[in-house]
Amino acid sequence: SQELEQSPQSLIVQEGKNLTINCTSSKTLYGLYWYKQKYGEGLIFLMMLQKGGEEKSHEKITAKLDEKKQQSSLHITASQPSHAGIYLCGVVGAQKLVFGQGTRLTINP
Amino acid sequence: DSGVTQTPKHLITATGQRVTLRCSPRSGDLSVYWYQQSLDQGLQFLIQYYNGEERAKGNILERFSAQQFPDLHSELNLSSLELGDSALYFCASSRDPGLDWETQYFGPGTRLLVL
Repeated sequence: SQELEQSPQSLIVQEGKNLTINCTSSKTLYGLYWYKQKYGEGLIFLMMLQKGGEEKSHEKITAKLDEKKQQSSLHITASQPSHAGIYLCGVVGAQKLVFGQGTRLTINP
Repeated sequence: DSGVTQTPKHLITATGQRVTLRCSPRSGDLSVYWYQQSLDQGLQFLIQYYNGEERAKGNILERFSAQQFPDLHSELNLSSLELGDSALYFCASSRDPGLDWETQYFGPGTRLLVL
């Protein structure tokens, strides 16, 4: 079965700084989802990447899919307190979502 | 707001008891998924229903069961509860699970605490 490993597991950055979260797959990545979870709340869909080399942006969040490296990266520019939470990458396998363990992001003022 | 609703938001019960979690999918979505999120296991897929029928099964215990009703809402039944069943239970919905990359939209979750 496909496994996803996220790095780092947790990240503390100062407000206004840029940051990157990585998601590496144990198998070929044909596509990937990024979700965000506020502590103890539901998952919010951020974006879906379907093609190698694809890059998508939403507000200050950019995600890229590198299928050769079997990896996706999520980059946040000029971080804000509203970016704090847990970021989860996921892939679809047998009609279910398999998630990485998550990256906990803390933004310090 | 994803459009997926879950009730109750919080549930506190005792070991050995039985509880029912309820989920209403987004309008127009035919498929419902149930996930369990615990500190040690992360987010794990439990079961999927599509238009009233079970479609896929994950790491769901025999003590747990689910169903999807004609109005497409779904219920997850947890029985003979154990301390280790304490977790966040999420429901998600999607339109057509036949598509490989159909986005799942998640509800706010039900936090279950078994004492």
